[in-house]
Amino acid sequence: TQLLEQSPQFLSIQEGENLTVYCNSSSVFSSLQWYRQEPGEGPVLLVTVVTGGEVKKLKRLTFQFGDARKDSSLHITAAQPGDTGLYLCAGVDSGTYKYIFGTGTRLKVLA
Amino acid sequence: KAGVTQTPRYLIKTRGQQVTLSCSPISGHRSVSWYQQTPGQGLQFLFEYFSETQRNKGNFPGRFSGRQFSNSRSEMNVSTLELGDSALYLCASSSLEGSYEQYFGPGTRLTVT
Repeated sequence: TQLLEQSPQFLSIQEGENLTVYCNSSSVFSSLQWYRQEPGEGPVLLVTVVTGGEVKKLKRLTFQFGDARKDSSLHITAAQPGDTGLYLCAGVDSGTYKYIFGTGTRLKVLA
Repeated sequence: KAGVTQTPRYLIKTRGQQVTLSCSPISGHRSVSWYQQTPGQGLQFLFEYFSETQRNKGNFPGRFSGRQFSNSRSEMNVSTLELGDSALYLCASSSLEGSYEQYFGPGTRLTVT
């Protein structure tokens, strides 16, 4: 079974700072999705990355898929309190075809 | 389009009881997946249905079951509830079989006492 490890697990930063969240696996994924979840709500899809080396930007968020499609990163520029939430990467396990989620990164941006 | 809806939003049950949760996917989406989210285990896959057929199942005991109707609405049932079943149960729909790019409902918060 493939695992998706995220780091850091927790992150507390001041408004305006930059940060990077990592999602790593020892196995290849055909694609990865990133989600953000706020307390009491379901995860919201942010982006899908498919091609190795792909970079996608969503306003202040930059997503990158590793060349070997085993890892991905999320970089936030000038973080704002509204970015606070649980960030999750996810993908389809190529062995079981089950959709698996990463361990999650809980981000808190202080005003 | 209306999003994924789940009912009820909150539920309190007693050990040994059973519970049924409901999910209505986004219109046109034929794939519905269910997940259990707990602080200790994170988001764990329960099962996926596509066109009324269970396509995949996670590592949960047989007390957890589900079904999908012809209109793509889905229900999840948990029998003989245990304290450890307390969790946020999330339903997600996708337009494609295989669970890529899922759209989640707000979840049902189940508390077992």
